[in-house]
Amino acid sequence: AQSVTQLDSQVPVFEEAPVELRCNYSSSVSVYLFWYVQYPNQGLQLLLKYLSGSTLVKGINGFEAEFNKSQTSFHLRKPSVHISDTAEYFCAAVSNDYKLSFGAGTTVTVRA
Amino acid sequence: SAVISQKPSRDICQRGTSLTIQCQVDSQVTMMFWYRQQPGQSLTLIATANQGSEATYESGFVIDKFPISRPNLTFSTLTVSNMSPEDSSIYLCSVEDEGAQGYTFGSGTRLTVV
Repeated sequence: AQSVTQLDSQVPVFEEAPVELRCNYSSSVSVYLFWYVQYPNQGLQLLLKYLSGSTLVKGINGFEAEFNKSQTSFHLRKPSVHISDTAEYFCAAVSNDYKLSFGAGTTVTVRA
Repeated sequence: SAVISQKPSRDICQRGTSLTIQCQVDSQVTMMFWYRQQPGQSLTLIATANQGSEATYESGFVIDKFPISRPNLTFSTLTVSNMSPEDSSIYLCSVEDEGAQGYTFGSGTRLTVV
């Protein structure tokens, strides 16, 4: 199974500032990568995914992520955050066992 | 993409009792997964449920505590048995969603054991 490391447990950010959430995975074999968001008291919503092809992936709500195979990273970015982006963000990976492995999560708190 | 209906959304249960959580999918799916999310933590896979076979449990989870049923390709249940306060968590089901080329999650069941 994949091992996923989210390097930041908490990220405070001001409204309209950029944000980057860092994620590294363990394996150099073929892997699919995902970012999910969990708003307070809600389930998980898929932000974006990397399956193959272009290493820059665009998702919903203005988020994008870049797959870097040499650094085994899949960092999430947004150029300008809103108050409504306050949530928990999870990076996840799956390889040939079809099981999603999740990182520990990053809490993003957007302040006015 | 698949739509999952998970019930109940929340419950408060007495210790020693059992709770069965249901997940209904609007399309046929091969693989269903059950996760636990303890307070303030990430998601941990409990088991994988394929129709027509026994569920496969991850290390640290056993069938006697978390029996799973998968009677058809659109439905599964997870039972949390003989509950203790340590079982207080959010439990989520998930499916491998071929249409969405990813994994879709139910809205979760927030369980509190008192």
